Amino acid sequence: DADVTQTPRNRITKTGKRIMLECSQTKGHDRMYWYRQDPGLGLRLIYYSFDVKDINKGEISDGYSVSRQAQAKFSLSLESAIPNQTALYFCATSDFFPQTHNEQFFGPGTRLTVL
Amino acid sequence: AQTVTQSQPEMSVQEAETVTLSCTYDTSESDYYLFWYKQPPSRQMILVIRQEAYKQQNATENRFSVNFQKAAKSFSLKISDSQLGDAAMYFCAYRRWVIYNQGGKLIFGQGTELSVKP
Repeated sequence: DADVTQTPRNRITKTGKRIMLECSQTKGHDRMYWYRQDPGLGLRLIYYSFDVKDINKGEISDGYSVSRQAQAKFSLSLESAIPNQTALYFCATSDFFPQTHNEQFFGPGTRLTVL
Repeated sequence: AQTVTQSQPEMSVQEAETVTLSCTYDTSESDYYLFWYKQPPSRQMILVIRQEAYKQQNATENRFSVNFQKAAKSFSLKISDSQLGDAAMYFCAYRRWVIYNQGGKLIFGQGTELSVKP
């Protein structure tokens, strides 16, 4: 079974709709991240969380919100989707031990299309 | 703020040949990590290789090796004996040296699409 899972894998929605992308992990990591991938721009950080009580904005948080429901779950919401939020979204996790170099493990991605 | 630049949007290599992907970065910090990630058509992000900035020796993982030039802020990836399965998007990424109460967020380059010709 995958260590980091994302649901849905693909989603098509309409402008103005609220949508939630979910991420779950079984790695026992405290740190979780949401990235967005656009062609020619690479991946950019939207939000990250060090633990259940800690949420931080990333580089491009406008138009997004997150919820850390538990250590293993980190959800990304688009309150009112717009077409330029069409992208590939990745969740990632890491621990905080220097010995592991805090390697980030990525989920399979969610392809979101906003019409 | 740190930035990562990949100036080659696309590269092509013949099977069994060697190819080098370029990456430059900008930072004022002295301790950090650099990474190369591979993204095949499956979309999965796969860590290829990691380099700690304090290490002078270039990292190597089987057919993958890096040329880390700290003073020049350059971090290129060399793929030897290229295989069809190496065809993918490759991302260079930077991460600051993480202390317990700091973030481990990655800063990515724009990506280089590598095609491998049989």
